[in-house]
Amino acid sequence: DTAVSQTPKYLVTQMGNDKSIKCEQNLGHDTMYWYKQDSKKFLKIMFSYNNKELIINETVPNRFSPKSPDKAHLNLHINSLELGDSAVYFCASSQEGERTTYEQYFGPGTRLTVT
Amino acid sequence: EDKVVQSPLSLVVHEGDTVTLNCSYEVTNFRSLLWYKQEKKAPTFLFMLTSSGIEKKSGRLSSILDKKELFSILNITATQTGDSAIYLCAGGGSEKLVFGKGTKLTVNP
Repeated sequence: DTAVSQTPKYLVTQMGNDKSIKCEQNLGHDTMYWYKQDSKKFLKIMFSYNNKELIINETVPNRFSPKSPDKAHLNLHINSLELGDSAVYFCASSQEGERTTYEQYFGPGTRLTVT
Repeated sequence: EDKVVQSPLSLVVHEGDTVTLNCSYEVTNFRSLLWYKQEKKAPTFLFMLTSSGIEKKSGRLSSILDKKELFSILNITATQTGDSAIYLCAGGGSEKLVFGKGTKLTVNP
């Protein structure tokens, strides 16, 4: 009964390849996020979606494209992978109402290694 | 630009010690301050603070927010080796959470 799940957990690929990471939440939340955590453990938001609509798009290369087929799923597709994309990518979700509080719940992470 | 600064960046203590982790924030349209614990995998939610001066407590952990001085502290009493982790502080403002770089706590037996 995992609340926020991601697949795959590990991804090793070569530069130039295209890859996708999937995220699903069964909490009934309406907002989902993608974060990148670098080797120094700094967690930074990349995207957020509310009810399938893109809300936040931080300064992220165009090679990264999120897709939300429904409010329980948020996938991340990465084109032309580069060495600097190696990181752990976390999906998160929250229920945001009139008074947003950002109480977010995180998935287990996907460790991406680009060689 | 929004920022969250945590101190210290790392801390090594012995079991039984009490620790205080600090978090200061500058977040536009501030709404909430959150603490997370990250061990080997995903950050797990600890506390969310929205009101000044009200302590939140969960077992040996407690946290308080000062909205006037723009900081929060996380206290852990009678530390155990299982408390070893990175503790992340995040400020919720305009549409997003801004995370600090974390405090790495190591509790030695």
